[in-house]
Amino acid sequence: GQQLNQSPQSMFIQEGEDVSMNCTSSSIFNTWLWYKQDPGEGPVLLIALYKAGELTSNGRLTAQFGITRKDSFLNISASIPSDVGIYFCAGQLRGGSNYKLTFGKGTLLTVNP
Amino acid sequence: NAGVTQTPKFQVLKTGQSMTLQCAQDMNHEYMSWYRQDPGMGLRLIHYSVGAGITDQGEVPNGYNVSRSTTEDFPLRLLSAAPSQTSVYFCASSYSRGFANTGELFFGEGSRLTVL
Repeated sequence: GQQLNQSPQSMFIQEGEDVSMNCTSSSIFNTWLWYKQDPGEGPVLLIALYKAGELTSNGRLTAQFGITRKDSFLNISASIPSDVGIYFCAGQLRGGSNYKLTFGKGTLLTVNP
Repeated sequence: NAGVTQTPKFQVLKTGQSMTLQCAQDMNHEYMSWYRQDPGMGLRLIHYSVGAGITDQGEVPNGYNVSRSTTEDFPLRLLSAAPSQTSVYFCASSYSRGFANTGELFFGEGSRLTVL
């Protein structure tokens, strides 16, 4: 099946620093999504990308859909303590009756005040 | 707004016991799914449903059953619990367009299951 390689596995940063994480795949996707999971909660959608090359921002978050359709990155600028959590990328190859998302294993972000 | 509601939030079972994790959504979403989350493994799809009366297997379906009698509810059944099923379980739903869902999932808060 399709697999996503998400890196880094974990990050420990100081408040105010910028953060970058990415996902790569051996297969193409036509949707990339980024989710955040706060401790003890379910994941919440941050950004959805539907077009190769697309660059989308949501506040301090910026994500891009790679031109090859096999990768995506998420940047967080000027990190704050509430950015702590697990960030998941997810890819979907839409078409026919395909509903399934493939998730990366997550990036655990810790922000030191 | 309730969104996706999962019950129970915590459960401890003995090996061999059965139980049902409940999931309900009030957003009229056609697509519903169950994931399990284990340390270092990310989110793995157990079963999913694209509408009432229609279910299909995901990546790790063994040991779990599902049914979808209504649009709102999608229960997950463990017929004979095993320690390997100790995990955090998430129900998720999304809007569908035709025969494809958007991938924009709404997750419940999770059900933490321990099998002794």
